[in-house]
Amino acid sequence: QVHLQESGPGLVKPSQTLSLTCTVSGGSISSGDYYWSWIRQPPGKGLEWIGYIYYSGSTYYNPSLKSRLTISIDTSKNEFSLKLSSVSAADTAVYYCASSPEGGAFDYWGQGTLVTVSS
Amino acid sequence: EIVMTQSPATLSVSPGERATLSCRASQSVSSNLAWYQQKPGQAPRLLIYGASTRATGVPARFSGSGSGTEFTLTISSLQSEDFAVYYCQQYNNWPPWTFGQGTKVDIK
Repeated sequence: QVHLQESGPGLVKPSQTLSLTCTVSGGSISSGDYYWSWIRQPPGKGLEWIGYIYYSGSTYYNPSLKSRLTISIDTSKNEFSLKLSSVSAADTAVYYCASSPEGGAFDYWGQGTLVTVSS
Repeated sequence: EIVMTQSPATLSVSPGERATLSCRASQSVSSNLAWYQQKPGQAPRLLIYGASTRATGVPARFSGSGSGTEFTLTISSLQSEDFAVYYCQQYNNWPPWTFGQGTKVDIK
């Protein structure tokens, strides 16, 4: 059973960089079977896929966030990370990490972490 | 990008009744469609993938159908724990993966 856990600051100031890490346990992030994604959900709203990373380091970002987004992977720590720069209040959301076997449905999710952008 | 549209936005149902939720894709996604359940304060939970295959541990009262652009999630007899928000998601043309805006099932 794969388990994902997000970690990072819950409060970020406007114009700064939001940084989160997702630690994977119960499976290897290097297995090649999964695409590792970040998904967010503004308070009271729906789900928005942010981007993914593959164990090889290849990435794809949501075009709406591409200019501000970096997703990286550390296979030695079995974790992947998100950095979103120049944040504003519109980036306030619960951020989830999730796994997608071979690009299919998201079968495992982290519990989510609320990030608030405020001065 | 494929746009997913769910209806209705809110569905009021009495316990024990049947609930039918709809999801439409802006272009064909074949059977590459998933349904998720989300309760307040929790992460989404995968219910259905491949349009009609229940995920591990999902009760048989949940069923999915459809292909192409029209999909349905049916809950045959609503239990108290089923009142939640349900999202559909396509994974036929990815990236990006895209979600519907959700249907809230609440108590009538």
